[in-house]
Amino acid sequence: ETGVTQSPTHLIKTRGQQVTLRCSSQSGHNTVSWYQQALGQGPQFIFQYYREEENGRGNFPPRFSGLQFPNYSSELNVNALELDDSALYLCASSPRQDVETQYFGPGTRLLVL
Amino acid sequence: GENVEQHPSTLSVQEGDSAVIKCTYSDSASNYFPWYKQELGKRPQLIIDIRSNVGEKKDQRIAVTLNKTAKHFSLHITETQPEDSAVYFCAARGGSNYKLTFGKGTLLTVNP
Repeated sequence: ETGVTQSPTHLIKTRGQQVTLRCSSQSGHNTVSWYQQALGQGPQFIFQYYREEENGRGNFPPRFSGLQFPNYSSELNVNALELDDSALYLCASSPRQDVETQYFGPGTRLLVL
Repeated sequence: GENVEQHPSTLSVQEGDSAVIKCTYSDSASNYFPWYKQELGKRPQLIIDIRSNVGEKKDQRIAVTLNKTAKHFSLHITETQPEDSAVYFCAARGGSNYKLTFGKGTLLTVNP
């Protein structure tokens, strides 16, 4: 087990609503990245947080936003949910001494109806 | 931006045979190439990685090779076992942040 945890495990929302997903990184890990994994696809990079600041962003609209807290945990917020936002949302944390290596959490499966 | 192509999309082998999955990448600046195994309903699990200053890396039955000139890297699994059945993803990291770009995955089935 990598020690990265996410909550909730599953979530059902309706179009237009807002959602907050949470991630606790493994002890000693100070970088958190978020990915969206659609069914049958590889994970797609949303953004990364380091020292509480966004450190790179993928091709996602501004309604996808995030936070990192002093304890290195992180949140992903999605506003104005669309049907296509239905996916598995994964966070990955990286240790201080090896920031390239990313260890994934179990994910939150979001269904937008 | 980076683009990673992965082949084949499905691979079926008999237990004990070898399996090879190949990936190509587009960004010549990419320098880190991990492989992840994802079982149904589970998290992607890092199984091996290679950096651009190394041509090959091995860990028991798993090996990865990297050809920087051709911009491709491969995963080799020897003596496959039924528990190797899963979806395998390759990824590449390039540029100034630590974004990973993933391939679309290979569903490996090892038949007993």
